[in-house]
Amino acid sequence: AQSVAQPEDQVNVAEGNPLTVKCTYSVSGNPYLFWYVQYPNRGLQFLLKYITGDNLVKGSYGFEAEFNKSQTSFHLKKPSALVSDSALYFCAVRDGNTDKLIFGTGTRLQVFP
Amino acid sequence: DGGITQSPKYLFRKEGQNVTLSCEQNLNHDAMYWYRQDPGQGLRLIYYSQIVNDFQKGDIAEGYSVSREKKESFPLTVTSAQKNPTAFYLCASRGQVITGELFFGEGSRLTVL
Repeated sequence: AQSVAQPEDQVNVAEGNPLTVKCTYSVSGNPYLFWYVQYPNRGLQFLLKYITGDNLVKGSYGFEAEFNKSQTSFHLKKPSALVSDSALYFCAVRDGNTDKLIFGTGTRLQVFP
Repeated sequence: DGGITQSPKYLFRKEGQNVTLSCEQNLNHDAMYWYRQDPGQGLRLIYYSQIVNDFQKGDIAEGYSVSREKKESFPLTVTSAQKNPTAFYLCASRGQVITGELFFGEGSRLTVL
């Protein structure tokens, strides 16, 4: 069965420093991977996705993610964090054989000024 | 503007009552989804529909029901059989491409008194 793991409940980083939010996955077919962000009491906003091709994917608001097939990981990164990046981040995977998108438990990013 | 509209945003219910959450989209998307969000558990799939008049159970369908009579509408009924209905409910839709991302509504927060 497909699954997604976000091992960190919270990540703290100082403004201006690089940030990484970790995600690992397990699927039976080709993985389609996604990152979303959620602000309090709001819906989820799409950041970026990996379907095929270049392992480094660039997305919205300066975020990027690196697909690593051997480590089954898809970590979210940003070179320089902003206080406004503070939010809840979700990694998700769709098994290529189904239409179900499975989400991780989320990682709260806190950026301190 | 195109998007997904969920209503009501906040809803209070007494135990034993059924409630229906509305989800409408004007994106001309075929696929629609309902997720439940609880703190620390991420998003869990309740039901999804890939086409009008057809829908499938997700991972936590017990105590919920849906209908898909129109392409733009996918209402969710939380029945009295749902043992712990207090949660944040999110509706989403996806375009024709199965690798496409989901677009989310702003959510409905249900509280059982």
